[in-house]
Amino acid sequence: DAKTTQPNSMESNEEEPVHLPCNHSTISGTDYIHWYRQLPSQGPEYVIHGLTSNVNNRMASLAIAEDRKSSTLILHRATLRDAAVYYCILRDISGGGSNYKLTFGKGTLLTVNP
Amino acid sequence: GAVVSQHPSRVICKSGTSVKIECRSLDFQATTMFWYRQFPKQSLMLMATSNEGSKATYEQGVEKDKFLINHASLTLSTLTVTSAHPEDSSFYICSARGQINQPQHFGDGTRLSIL
Repeated sequence: DAKTTQPNSMESNEEEPVHLPCNHSTISGTDYIHWYRQLPSQGPEYVIHGLTSNVNNRMASLAIAEDRKSSTLILHRATLRDAAVYYCILRDISGGGSNYKLTFGKGTLLTVNP
Repeated sequence: GAVVSQHPSRVICKSGTSVKIECRSLDFQATTMFWYRQFPKQSLMLMATSNEGSKATYEQGVEKDKFLINHASLTLSTLTVTSAHPEDSSFYICSARGQINQPQHFGDGTRLSIL
């Protein structure tokens, strides 16, 4: 699986936008970019995913570079409840096999200051 | 959004006990379910993948006779930790997915403590 690189940690202030970067220079044409987050003592929560175009949903926006070698998860107004570990994961759905499992890296620990 | 229910949320038991953890998809049919394990301050590690009605596929280094997985229906998978020992203490998390192009949804995890 193609790897992703994220900063170990980031800090933000409440009600300010947060831009969480992810580098994936070895991404293939059939890799989807997925973002999950994990709050303390909980299972991961799906945030957003995309392939080539920028994506928006009620939780966040995903900005994908034109060459797809990097992406940015954008939280428009951080709240204290957004404090979590954010994982950027590539998932390839091409070819044979039916599992297309998610492989988690270390992610970015986001701290939100009041 | 899609909901995955995992039960129990916490188990404390003696060494040698077998523990069963249930994972249910509440509002969608889970074609594929995944079981992860997470040790403190570490990331999630995939243990096994199961498709409904088929035998689970275990990741390298995971003992299939110790971690029994059953995925008998499209809404239920179980993980049984057999003869658990203190080193099996961990946070076990299940995940379920419908169609291949859909996101995986996760349960809230089971914290297993073996005394």
